[in-house]
Amino acid sequence: QVQLVESGGGLVKPGGSLRLSCAASGFSFSDYYMSWIRQAPGKGLEWVSYISGSGNTIYYADSVKGRFTISRDNAKKSLYLQMNSLRVEDTAVFYCARGDSYPVTWGQGALVTVSS
Amino acid sequence: QLVLTQSPSASASLGASVKLTCTLSSGHSSYAIAWHQQQPEKGPRYLMRLNSDGSHSKGDGIPDRFSGSSSGAERYLTISSLQSEDEADYYCQTWGTGSWVFGGGTKLTVL
Repeated sequence: QVQLVESGGGLVKPGGSLRLSCAASGFSFSDYYMSWIRQAPGKGLEWVSYISGSGNTIYYADSVKGRFTISRDNAKKSLYLQMNSLRVEDTAVFYCARGDSYPVTWGQGALVTVSS
Repeated sequence: QLVLTQSPSASASLGASVKLTCTLSSGHSSYAIAWHQQQPEKGPRYLMRLNSDGSHSKGDGIPDRFSGSSSGAERYLTISSLQSEDEADYYCQTWGTGSWVFGGGTKLTVL
């Protein structure tokens, strides 16, 4: 069955960096757009970034542009989010999702806490 | 600017029906949306894609109790025969060139 499993979350100080990973299984990974979506504690969903199957098309939300980098390794069926210059307001559960225009499959999420 | 507006909360009784609304911003009434459900302490789950003409395609395993409809800039999610497990946050979401947009979510309470 289709499965997405995030890893790499944790506690980091403001200004620090963290790299999230998402391991995909059960589908032809390279055929699908993939995205990152986050949810701050007690808040709603916020789209972060998406990447095409080939990796040639990438977009970011304004709130993370210049600080976050999305990438993928189709041979490893993995999606990544490199997060630099982290801020307290980046604290959130980060979800990996599969889908071209909307997420059809969601991961279980990885918690990122930015705090001194 | 592409914006989705949802009421923060809704409530309905066990076994009854409820209709949740998602409103597209001016100039975007032809856009399709997707509905997602997030039960307490869980990750979101895709429910359906809903087009401007009211046609919709549901995700795998989504019960027939969930249906969608459209009118102008409004997109609706109707849940019939409410069950306790339907108590959740419901988010609408749409997409433009280079961005996705989520509504603020509606918290549904089943009485």
